[in-house]
Amino acid sequence: SYELTQPPSVSVSPGQTATIACSGDAVPRQFGYWYQQKPGEAPVLVIYADSKRPSTISERFSGSSSGTTLTLTISGVEAEDDADYYCLLADDSGAKRAFGGGTKLIVL
Amino acid sequence: VRLEQSGAEVKMPGESVKISCQASGYRFTSYWIGWVRQMPGKGLEWMGSIYPGDSDTKYNPSFEGQVTISVDKSTETVYLEWSGLKASDSAMYFCARDGEGLFDLWGRGTPVTVSS
Repeated sequence: SYELTQPPSVSVSPGQTATIACSGDAVPRQFGYWYQQKPGEAPVLVIYADSKRPSTISERFSGSSSGTTLTLTISGVEAEDDADYYCLLADDSGAKRAFGGGTKLIVL
Repeated sequence: VRLEQSGAEVKMPGESVKISCQASGYRFTSYWIGWVRQMPGKGLEWMGSIYPGDSDTKYNPSFEGQVTISVDKSTETVYLEWSGLKASDSAMYFCARDGEGLFDLWGRGTPVTVSS
């Protein structure tokens, strides 16, 4: 299975930009996905296919992929962005998927 | 468009349980549905997925043989089943659909508690 590494936590002040990284050897070969999860709630897809954003997600969320690292960027961070964020990598058939360990975004 | 999950389960070790995820509002047979485990205070783990159109099922090797994923097309419901629960199976279980992106629609989760 894929091994994906995320930092346990990232801290940012309101209005600043947060970047969350997800590293793994398989990143160059597969599309990456990002999910936001708030306490007691189900996860929500915020980025798919490395950099595409569902229509219901704020333009403040963006994604990119370079080398062995996926990156989620949240611009103009707001208090409501305080949550856990998980990356996911999957092969083309969907038969092989793995989540990263998750990153807690702390809005100071 | 929604995924409705069954209610909380409290079981003893060794018992069996089958939890469900009922889809509505979209063409059920055209989208993969998967199960995701979240142990208390921990991260997300993909367990496996099923394609309701032909019942093709793919498992995470870590869960294969431990659980069974099945589908009932007549009721547009996907199931996750254990035949011999362990305390370590205590967790929240989410179902989620592959749509515009993988896991673009989630159920609210079913908590399973296994305790003697």
